[in-house]
Amino acid sequence: KQEVTQIPAALSVPEGENLVLNCSFTDSAIYNLQWFRQDPGKGLTSLLLIQSSQREQTSGRLNASLDKSSGRSTLYIAASQPGDSATYLCAALIGGATNKLIFGTGTLLAVQP
Amino acid sequence: NAGVTQTPKFRILKIGQSMTLQCAQDMNHNYMYWYRQDPGMGLKLIYYSVGAGITDKGEVPNGYNVSRSTTEDFPLRLELAAPSQTSVYFCASSSPGLASEQYFGPGTRLTVT
Repeated sequence: KQEVTQIPAALSVPEGENLVLNCSFTDSAIYNLQWFRQDPGKGLTSLLLIQSSQREQTSGRLNASLDKSSGRSTLYIAASQPGDSATYLCAALIGGATNKLIFGTGTLLAVQP
Repeated sequence: NAGVTQTPKFRILKIGQSMTLQCAQDMNHNYMYWYRQDPGMGLKLIYYSVGAGITDKGEVPNGYNVSRSTTEDFPLRLELAAPSQTSVYFCASSSPGLASEQYFGPGTRLTVT
């Protein structure tokens, strides 16, 4: 059974710092790995999607990497800003015919001004 | 495009009552999903649908029912509400394909007392 873990559960950094969020999955047979952002009381917003054949994806200050063999993905945020404060969730896509996602428990990020 | 919409935003139910959570999407997505998110936890898949008339169980289907009569709508029914169903419920939709992102609604916060 696929399990997805995110460490740390919470992280506080000063503004301007570069940071890395970690995501681990137990079964390397995934189709893609997605990173989402969740603001308090809101739904999820997709940030980046890395297909199983890819090693990384970039969007602005965000860079996500995927290493299937080690069961790891990282989300790198450059030059963090207070507006980056949110919960970040990763999810592994299993079941290619149905696009079923298995979610991690998230990392709560606080960027201090 | 409104994207994925959910109603109601908040609801308090008494034990044993029934209700339907509404979900609609205007992106012509074939795939739709219902998740629940408990405090400090990731999202768990309740039910999903790959098209009108086709539904299937996810990880935590007990106590819920769904139907999909149109491409746009995917209601979730709670027949006999229990305190264990207190949670935030998210609906999502996507196109088929391994590179397709899931788009989420804003959620329904349900309390059963």
